[in-house]
Amino acid sequence: GEKVEQHESTLSVREGDSAVINCTYTDTASSYFPWYKQEAGKSLHFVIDIRSNVDRKQSQRLTVLLDKKAKRFSLHITATQPEDSAIYFCAASTYAQGLTFGLGTRVSVFP
Amino acid sequence: EAGVTQSPRYAVLQEGQAVSFWCDPISGHDTLYWYQQPRDQGPQLLVYFRDEAVIDNSQLPSDRFSAVRPKGTNSTLKIQSAKQGDTATYLCASSLGLGGSTGQLYFGEGSKLTVL
Repeated sequence: GEKVEQHESTLSVREGDSAVINCTYTDTASSYFPWYKQEAGKSLHFVIDIRSNVDRKQSQRLTVLLDKKAKRFSLHITATQPEDSAIYFCAASTYAQGLTFGLGTRVSVFP
Repeated sequence: EAGVTQSPRYAVLQEGQAVSFWCDPISGHDTLYWYQQPRDQGPQLLVYFRDEAVIDNSQLPSDRFSAVRPKGTNSTLKIQSAKQGDTATYLCASSLGLGGSTGQLYFGEGSKLTVL
């Protein structure tokens, strides 16, 4: 089955700087790559996703890049703010399958 | 619109005891997922349903875990004879259509299980 590796377990960034989280996946059939955010003591909520028919998607300060050849995708957060502090999970799935999640990256934004 | 509701929020058991977790998905969502999230790890899919049908339960430890969704709405996840290794938060999520094809999952707050 699919395996998703999240390369950074922790990330510490100064407020206003950018943060990048990198993930790789194993199943070439995977076509859907969402990102979820988990704030302290809370459950996961969706932040952004990308499908395999595009290689870039932006939503406000978030950009997702997808490199299908390398089976790699990444989340870029620009102009980080304190409220960006959370654990971010990448995930992958084939069409109509359940999501396989990475282990998570704890992002801390300091002043 | 109400979100995904789970109960109980917390459970503490001795090894060998049983527990059931209940999930009420968002109204109209036909797909329901159960994930296990051990401390400091990502969610791991246990089972998911489309309406009342099990789509994939290959990751469910079937000797002690069972899950049902009899009317295609609410769902129950049961653990019989719990072990310390079952200590985790059990997350329920729902989506309209199968998540990989149609987009985001909506997660409940989770049921945190501690097995002593």
